[in-house]
Amino acid sequence: ETGVTQSPTHLIKTRGQQVTLRCSSQSGHNTVSWYQQALGQGPQFIFQYYREEENGRGNFPPRFSGLQFPNYSSELNVNALELDDSALYLCASSSHGGQYYGYTFGSGTRLTVV
Amino acid sequence: QQPVQSPQAVILREGEDAVINCSSSKALYSVHWYRQKHGEAPVFLMILLKGGEQKGHEKISASFNEKKQQSSLYLTASQLSYSGTYFCGTPQAGANSKLTFGKGITLSVRP
Repeated sequence: ETGVTQSPTHLIKTRGQQVTLRCSSQSGHNTVSWYQQALGQGPQFIFQYYREEENGRGNFPPRFSGLQFPNYSSELNVNALELDDSALYLCASSSHGGQYYGYTFGSGTRLTVV
Repeated sequence: QQPVQSPQAVILREGEDAVINCSSSKALYSVHWYRQKHGEAPVFLMILLKGGEQKGHEKISASFNEKKQQSSLYLTASQLSYSGTYFCGTPQAGANSKLTFGKGITLSVRP
């Protein structure tokens, strides 16, 4: 059983640029959630995708967008990067929304905006 | 509303016990517990779905008091491998897909 894989592991971008982060969900999982984790803080929910549709969104502006593909992998896109977007971005996959069986997290993408 | 975790940090020696808490000002429907080691992904420990439910994972157990809107994680005879940051996450009412995590508690187990 493969876990959740994310790419790239590290990324440095300039303010104003756009970035795409990728996530492959664990085998058998049909739901993908994205979280932003600032240093020393707990993960903050960005949004979730289920069957290629957005299924819940946190308090993040529209410049944070996502996609889920038929194989349940997912992308997180962030436009017009700001310095405060610097954080660890975690992808978590689950079955049945995760409320009963928990989430499997990837190791994350460390994004630095300069 | 972000759940509040306490204490902020725990330092203990191998073999000692510890309790960490998670409380919410709003009604709790379930509580998730995760552990994250430095530079690694958060790892799922357990979910408590019903008030009063208790669960165990190796020598780590948890309780969930729905009326008090809190959950506690009990680490018994701690091992070096228990070191890490422990997060509780609570789904919002009507939005089980959205987990709100606490700030986490750093637990360090020393030889």
